[in-house]
Amino acid sequence: EAQVTQNPRYLITVTGKKLTVTCSQNMNHEYMSWYRQDPGLGLRQIYYSMNVEVTDKGDVPEGYKVSRKEKRNFPLILESPSPNQTSLYFCASSSRGTVMSPLHFGNGTRLTVT
Amino acid sequence: GQNIDQPTEMTATEGAIVQINCTYQTSGFNGLFWYQQHAGEAPTFLSYNVLDGLEEKGRFSSFLSRSKGYSYLLLKELQMKDSASYLCAVSLYNQGGKLIFGQGTELSVKP
Repeated sequence: EAQVTQNPRYLITVTGKKLTVTCSQNMNHEYMSWYRQDPGLGLRQIYYSMNVEVTDKGDVPEGYKVSRKEKRNFPLILESPSPNQTSLYFCASSSRGTVMSPLHFGNGTRLTVT
Repeated sequence: GQNIDQPTEMTATEGAIVQINCTYQTSGFNGLFWYQQHAGEAPTFLSYNVLDGLEEKGRFSSFLSRSKGYSYLLLKELQMKDSASYLCAVSLYNQGGKLIFGQGTELSVKP
């Protein structure tokens, strides 16, 4: 089944404790992206990757890191999480960027930082 | 700056027609997407417009006017399962990776 898989689905952590949210897609998509979703603010893009070893900042990249060493994986790293990073996170992929190509979203990761 | 506006909430009756508007002011435009998101779930793709005019897909249609920076999503023969949030998103010209979302319109369908 074609899908984007994120793990974990739920995560509660404390301020400053490094964490990684994994994202993997099995559709051979070139483009992958991370979003956070907060009430009243909608989906905001954190980072995106047009292909392996190519990553770019979205609108809210501060406090996050990503890497794209392989086509299928695009992990999101929070080196020192803070409470303002408490949010619902979505990973997404598409075959050709955001031009004419719809995004396929993972099921989301709900992160709470205390 | 980039700005996308949608109404926050709408209510409609089962069997009726509802139109959800989206206006955008962005630095460049490559196309406009509509996504549906049920509570607690991931967004799913509904439609894509790049040229002016109406795109029809069953009960759902989407319209675009590039000169006016305006789009709408039209849902016909509303069903209870259409209760969801509807997200408008703009793909930016010359920035193949950037997609800007509006805050979404929460649609409630009542019997």
